[in-house]
Amino acid sequence: EVQMVESGGGSVKPGGSLRLSCAASGFTFSNAWMNWVRQAPGKGLEWVGRIKSKPDGGTTEYAAPVKGRFTISRDDSKNTAYLQMNSLKTEDTAVYYCTTGGYYFDFWGQGTLVTVSS
Amino acid sequence: QSVLTQPPSASETPGQRVTISCSGSSFNIGTYTVNWYQRLPGTAPKLLIYDNNQRFSGVPDRFSGSKSGTSASLAISGLQSEDEADYYCATWDDSLDGWVFGGGTKLTVL
Repeated sequence: EVQMVESGGGSVKPGGSLRLSCAASGFTFSNAWMNWVRQAPGKGLEWVGRIKSKPDGGTTEYAAPVKGRFTISRDDSKNTAYLQMNSLKTEDTAVYYCTTGGYYFDFWGQGTLVTVSS
Repeated sequence: QSVLTQPPSASETPGQRVTISCSGSSFNIGTYTVNWYQRLPGTAPKLLIYDNNQRFSGVPDRFSGSKSGTSASLAISGLQSEDEADYYCATWDDSLDGWVFGGGTKLTVL
């Protein structure tokens, strides 16, 4: 059974940092492209970025609102993906989901809430 | 303002059929396939339809997808109360160089 569990969410002041983790099981993590998607309160889904599998280059891509502030990485030995968030803004407040897939997002974690507020 | 345009809401009675539209441009839907996601209240999104019209594992055949030009649509027939959820279309966008979602459609089963 595929399982993905996000952790690391919480409250932080504007300008602060937070690192989210996504622990995966039930599939071959090293071959999976991992994405982060967020949903702000009362808003729709927004893609944050992705990291390709190492066989496919291991490169990262980011949405414009987070480029230069967020970094996605992976540790295939731990079956875990990470989202390092720096210079956080109030508009980054959202539930953050990790999800697998290159051409569609087939499995999702339950999400972790990040609140950026002074 | 989302790159992909969906109606904010839709409603229909049980047993009936409802269609949700998703409008884009040549940079996104006109070039790439469309996926649809369902978000039930209080839960994570789930993949319903991928590659325009392919049902994901376990998705009932009441759900179907289609695409024409720069628009796509999701149809749900034989509506059930448990279909009440938010529905999102998504595809890749060349101008933004990333995935884009529609604003979401809240489906109410009357």
